[in-house]
Amino acid sequence: AQRVTQPEKLLSVFKGAPVELKCNYSYSGSPELFWYVQYSRQRLQLLLRHISRESIKGFTADLNKGETSFHLKKPFAQEEDSAMYYCALRVFTGNQFYFGTGTSLTVIP
Amino acid sequence: EPEVTQTPSHQVTQMGQEVILRCVPISNHLYFYWYRQILGQKVEFLVSFYNNEISEKSEIFDDQFSVERPDGSNFTLKIRSTKLEDSAMYFCASSDRVDAQYFGPGTRLLVL
Repeated sequence: AQRVTQPEKLLSVFKGAPVELKCNYSYSGSPELFWYVQYSRQRLQLLLRHISRESIKGFTADLNKGETSFHLKKPFAQEEDSAMYYCALRVFTGNQFYFGTGTSLTVIP
Repeated sequence: EPEVTQTPSHQVTQMGQEVILRCVPISNHLYFYWYRQILGQKVEFLVSFYNNEISEKSEIFDDQFSVERPDGSNFTLKIRSTKLEDSAMYFCASSDRVDAQYFGPGTRLLVL
């Protein structure tokens, strides 16, 4: 069965500190992984996807198939990064997405 | 910038009643989705829709649920006979490619 695990419900870091939001997945096929972000009182929005290998707002995420992980990282957290972050998996054979339970990030000034 | 819109923002209904949640996807998008999020829980996939038919659905999407694209702009989710456990936030999303989804603001449904 496909599953996405985000082990931390809450994460607090100080401004300027590095941040890492963990995401692990289980899927026997070839996965497509995404990070979505939801700022306070705003809608879910796509942050980045592994196939693009891009950096958005200073965030990066590398797909590690050996560890089945797709951790989200940023070297220097900013206050505006405070939000809810969701990791999501799309199964290759279909058009179905699985979301993790989310991590609420708070960046302390 | 174009956005996905959803109406109503909140809906309260009695158990057993039918509800229709409405979404207007981004106009040139071809793929449409419904998700739900029960309070305090994760976002759960319900259904995806492409080319006027369901392409994928989850175990949650049973016979009580249906989706429709009645015209060129709306995408609706109908729950025929609501149950208490249907209380949740329902999100619509659309995409122009299979991988990039744009979400609506959600409809909060409360079943009493």
